[in-house]
Amino acid sequence: SQKIEQNSEALNIQEGKTATLTCNYTNYSPAYLQWYRQDPGRGPVFLLLIRENEKEKRKERLKVTFDTTLKQSLFHITASQPADSATYLCALPGYSTLTFGKGTMLLVSP
Amino acid sequence: GAVVSQHPSRVICKSGTSVKIECRSLDFQATTMFWYRQFPKKSLMLMATSNEGSKATYEQGVEKDKFLINHASLTLSTLTVTSAHPEDSSFYICSARADSYGYTFGSGTRLTVV
Repeated sequence: SQKIEQNSEALNIQEGKTATLTCNYTNYSPAYLQWYRQDPGRGPVFLLLIRENEKEKRKERLKVTFDTTLKQSLFHITASQPADSATYLCALPGYSTLTFGKGTMLLVSP
Repeated sequence: GAVVSQHPSRVICKSGTSVKIECRSLDFQATTMFWYRQFPKKSLMLMATSNEGSKATYEQGVEKDKFLINHASLTLSTLTVTSAHPEDSSFYICSARADSYGYTFGSGTRLTVV
């Protein structure tokens, strides 16, 4: 069956550092992959989409890579800020909609 | 950008009563909306796909008689939790597809059944 794995443990980093989150998947050949941010008690908010023929995508301080051979996507936040603290979810297209990983909680300390 | 409005954000109800949650697409038409359930520190689990003008498609293991979905217009889908019990307490989120790739989510509804 299809699986999406994200680091289950929270990632704690200091303000200003680069946060790197990992999303691995198995039994998928996705045409694209998405990353979302979710704050406590809120719905997910779309951040970035990267297609299978794209190696890297950037948006302001965010960078996503997509390695279809390794079946892995890395999500980077550079110059991290406390306001970046949230849970980050990766998502792949499923049969009718998206299938989500469990998410990784990022905590950025001042 | 595409906005999905979900109400209420929080609801507390007594065991045995029914609760309705609304999901509206504010600036686009959504022929398909999706309902998810999320437990603490768990992933979003798709419950059902709501299709405008037709019956919803439920995921395996989701009781369609307990979770009634109505998608009466291109901008509104509702989820009714019938005869709610404490185990139905959860965070419910709806989403709609605004374009070929983009999914927009509502802000979620925290349901507590006492």
